Amino acid sequence: SQQGEEDPQALSIQEGENATMNCSYKTSINNLQWYRQNSGRGLVHLILIRSNEREKHSGRLRVTLDTSKKSSSLLITASRAADTASYFCATEGVGNTDKLIFGTGTRLQVFP
Amino acid sequence: EAQVTQNPRYLITVTGKKLTVTCSQNMNHEYMSWYRQDPGLGLRQIYYSMNVEVTDKGDVPEGYKVSRKEKRNFPLILESPSPNQTSLYFCASSFSSEGAAGELFFGEGSRLTVL
Repeated sequence: SQQGEEDPQALSIQEGENATMNCSYKTSINNLQWYRQNSGRGLVHLILIRSNEREKHSGRLRVTLDTSKKSSSLLITASRAADTASYFCATEGVGNTDKLIFGTGTRLQVFP
Repeated sequence: EAQVTQNPRYLITVTGKKLTVTCSQNMNHEYMSWYRQDPGLGLRQIYYSMNVEVTDKGDVPEGYKVSRKEKRNFPLILESPSPNQTSLYFCASSFSSEGAAGELFFGEGSRLTVL
């Protein structure tokens, strides 16, 4: 059962530009998390936003959450070539803390 | 260093030959989980464990077994592997005693090919 759907599936930008990725989900959530995956490697946690929060920042990352639209966005500002990776949203559903349900991810390519 | 360690990282095997993928974490996490990652399907949960001797099925448990005899270890067992189990497997753990409520820490992955 897939909860999160990321959009776009792939994104190519130049260094210094901002990258925005969107995530939509289907059911009520306790929290939404964003993870990063370098090619073929393990996922790394970036940021967690709770259902009662609307915006959160961490360094060059800005995450927003709109529970009325069941959507979230991840903004990476002033992107670098090292930001090239796949980015996944993951949701913990209300009453379902046994798992995070991951989307299919956005592949971000940042060109030097 | 806090980490989740999986072994082997790469494995090619043949149909029906039992294999075990080990997973160990050194963070004293109560929650552990196995995911498989396939192109176009994202990550899907296979099994999870809330604590020692407590395991439960995820979304795609068929063909897999797990055990949790110690807090740090959570091996994934394929009793009779089939080609549709060819995939990239990830073990993950979390500090939260309420399950996956917090940050998941992932291993580096185990790429399995079943011929």
